Amino acid sequence: DTEVTQTPKHLVMGMTNKKSLKCEQHMGHRAMYWYKQKAKKPPELMFVYSYEKLSINESVPSRFSPECPNSSLLNLHLHALQPEDSALYLCASRFSGTSTDTQYFGPGTRLTVL
Amino acid sequence: DAKTTQPNSMESNEEEPVHLPCNHSTISGTDYIHWYRQLPSQGPEYVIHGLTSNVNNRMASLAIAEDRKSSTLILHRATLRDAAVYYCILRGFAPGGTSYGKLTFGQGTILTVHP
Repeated sequence: DTEVTQTPKHLVMGMTNKKSLKCEQHMGHRAMYWYKQKAKKPPELMFVYSYEKLSINESVPSRFSPECPNSSLLNLHLHALQPEDSALYLCASRFSGTSTDTQYFGPGTRLTVL
Repeated sequence: DAKTTQPNSMESNEEEPVHLPCNHSTISGTDYIHWYRQLPSQGPEYVIHGLTSNVNNRMASLAIAEDRKSSTLILHRATLRDAAVYYCILRGFAPGGTSYGKLTFGQGTILTVHP
């Protein structure tokens, strides 16, 4: 199984809602990532988890709250978002080889904040 | 990570070869050259990577200049399914190091394939 799954595929929420994005992988990868991608722009890193611990937070606003309950699962909790947070949210996991590494991406959750 | 420069867009005809260039003049000796692509409405996917020698896999070939300041991703016979944004990314990596695998995407090259 070389797949990263993300749910939901689409999400529409109001600025006062609380919602969560879910990401799952069963490849045994111990590093997982959240990226944000605005339309016609490249993905930008938000968070990195390594061995279920938050390793990198790229100065993301606190209305985005990541969680890694176990080695296969990554969540992104959303609260009080702004319309400018509308974007494609991508999850990835990382395979580390002996010399370099590669990342496997999920299809993303397209978020619209009204 | 060192910076890469790619053309904004390229066009090709179906079943013809495509050469996608990438300049990385500030590459360091331990930087690997990675290529990812992102098909419409999908997440990025890994294509190929290399360090110094040319590399081939089932998806593409990677030609690396002798001075490593540039590289070219080669799609031998483009299909309509190859229409995507192609990203050239440098990954510094030391075995046993503390790199967390941060990928820094540039703007990439939008490849259009005509039937």
